[in-house]
Amino acid sequence: DTEVTQTPKHLVMGMTNKKSLKCEQHMGHRAMYWYKQKAKKPPELMFVYSYEKLSINESVPSRFSPECPNSSLLNLHLHALQPEDSALYLCASSQDQATYGYTFGSGTRLTVV
Amino acid sequence: GDSVTQMEGPVTLSEEAFLTINCTYTATGYPSLFWYVQYPGEGLQLLLKATKADDKGSNKGFEATYRKETTSFHLEKGSVQVSDSAVYFCALRSNLFGNEKLTFGTGTRLTIIP
Repeated sequence: DTEVTQTPKHLVMGMTNKKSLKCEQHMGHRAMYWYKQKAKKPPELMFVYSYEKLSINESVPSRFSPECPNSSLLNLHLHALQPEDSALYLCASSQDQATYGYTFGSGTRLTVV
Repeated sequence: GDSVTQMEGPVTLSEEAFLTINCTYTATGYPSLFWYVQYPGEGLQLLLKATKADDKGSNKGFEATYRKETTSFHLEKGSVQVSDSAVYFCALRSNLFGNEKLTFGTGTRLTIIP
């Protein structure tokens, strides 16, 4: 298995809703990442988990809450989002060495109404 | 800090034309370099990589050579196809402990017309 699987592919939520994005990989990668991508922009790093521990939080608002239940799963819990949070949310995983690239999932297209 | 600079897009070429997308970088240490491709509505796919100076990465007819002396990693393809239309991102990953984040360039949108 050489894929990162993200669910759901599309999500529409209201500003008072609570929802979660899910990400799964079975490549034995010990580093997992959440990125946010706005249209016509490069991905922006949000969080990094290394060996199931949060190692980097790029000053992301607390309405985004990451969770890593085990080495194969990564969640992003969403609460009280704003319309400007609408974007493509990408999960990625990697070996914990610089010579490895990241493997990205196909993303969740989030729309906040 | 680390940074990647890509040529401004969008780039429009005719089918079978020669493609070059320029990429230069600034980094401490000895980074690994990558090209990613993003097709419409999809995530990023690793296209090719090079992990040390003078390495050439290649895949699907695309090539890029890690040039330490010019801090460059330009993407080339000899004959592009309509199916190559996508956004291309140059990226680097530092080898310094604690700084192994992937740093992206701004992306170059490529459109190939028949």
